[in-house]
Amino acid sequence: EPEVTQTPSHQVTQMGQEVILRCVPISNHLYFYWYRQILGQKVEFLVSFYNNEISEKSEIFDDQFSVERPDGSNFTLKIRSTKLEDSAMYFCASTEDRADTGELFFGEGSRLTVL
Amino acid sequence: KQEVTQIPAALSVPEGENLVLNCSFTDSAIYNLQWFRQDPGKGLTSLLLIQSSQREQTSGRLNASLDKSSGRSTLYIAASQPGDSATYLCVSGGSNYKLTFGKGTLLTVNP
Repeated sequence: EPEVTQTPSHQVTQMGQEVILRCVPISNHLYFYWYRQILGQKVEFLVSFYNNEISEKSEIFDDQFSVERPDGSNFTLKIRSTKLEDSAMYFCASTEDRADTGELFFGEGSRLTVL
Repeated sequence: KQEVTQIPAALSVPEGENLVLNCSFTDSAIYNLQWFRQDPGKGLTSLLLIQSSQREQTSGRLNASLDKSSGRSTLYIAASQPGDSATYLCVSGGSNYKLTFGKGTLLTVNP
């Protein structure tokens, strides 16, 4: 069964360092998303991406964050200068059909720990 | 701004019991309502997706209902099993897949 894959599963970094989280969405999907979940809190929307540009972003997604689809398969989330409060589980998701009726498929997440 | 609330926050039941998880949302103008399962340290698995025009969806022992006018959804699990132990998330879908998540109900099914 096709699935969304994320790497790394866990990354530990020092505050101020740049981090890149990688995602391989399901191959025929066109819409990509990043969500995050701080420990003990709700899953929160970060950004949606379609046709090589951001469709929508939340207030969390400030200038420290960027997304990119560098090739035909990867979808990356970059945090330019990590802060302690960036420690969270980051989930990538993709869907085939933007019509707001389809199913969203999530990866298993990348746990980021900022020290 | 959409808010999704789930009650109870945690639930512990003996194996074989039927149970209901509750979800409420503040903005009834949703596109859909989904229930996800999250196992510790794992990703999110979609269980049931109810379109805004639908009233319920069923999959095996799971049944989810949606009442948009009252801003409520329920997830019914029949004949619970220890393998059902997980956190269950209620998620409302808005435009552009801007999902709003509840905090979840942590379910423990005891053998």
